[in-house]
Amino acid sequence: DARVTQTPRHKVTEMGQEVTMRCQPILGHNTVFWYRQTMMQGLELLAYFRNRAPLDDSGMPKDRFSAEMPDATLATLKIQPSEPRDSAVYFCASGFNETQYFGPGTRLLVL
Amino acid sequence: KQEVTQIPAALSVPEGENLVLNCSFTDSAIYNLQWFRQDPGKGLTSLLLIQSSQREQTSGRLNASLDKSSGRSTLYIAASQPGDSATYLCAVPRSYNTDKLIFGTGTRLQVFP
Repeated sequence: DARVTQTPRHKVTEMGQEVTMRCQPILGHNTVFWYRQTMMQGLELLAYFRNRAPLDDSGMPKDRFSAEMPDATLATLKIQPSEPRDSAVYFCASGFNETQYFGPGTRLLVL
Repeated sequence: KQEVTQIPAALSVPEGENLVLNCSFTDSAIYNLQWFRQDPGKGLTSLLLIQSSQREQTSGRLNASLDKSSGRSTLYIAASQPGDSATYLCAVPRSYNTDKLIFGTGTRLQVFP
């Protein structure tokens, strides 16, 4: 049963620290998405890759967020430096045939 | 700019009821619409995808309809069960021919025994 995996599942850190979230997409899927979900804003798209190439990261604060796909089995989302307003659940999803398959999310709390 | 809204925001029903969840979108130039389910503390699971050329899609007790001209979709759940309790979100592509989705704020459904 193929599924998207994300690590860590939970992260508590202090303001100013670097946070790295990892995602392993489903093998064979050619699109990868990073989303952030909060009670106030709902689900927001942060970044989008197709065939490992970044197509859109307009949803990310460029000064502190970065997203990469070093290979087809790994996508990363980094926040440096982290701020309390970054506290949210971050989801990775991989896509195939117009359907997106979501990972379980990383719940981030920045103190 | 595409906007997606869902009504009601929350719904609580007794087991066995048939129910309808609503999704509205402002730009009718979409080529598909998806319904997702999100359980507490979990990611989203795709339930149904309706292409713009289709009027409805069915999966088990779920039936989703699409009326592009009026900018509406409904998700019909027949004979609801406590296991259907979750948040249901609809999503449309941000613009034509893109994988980027815009999600509604969701309807939180509780089905009690």
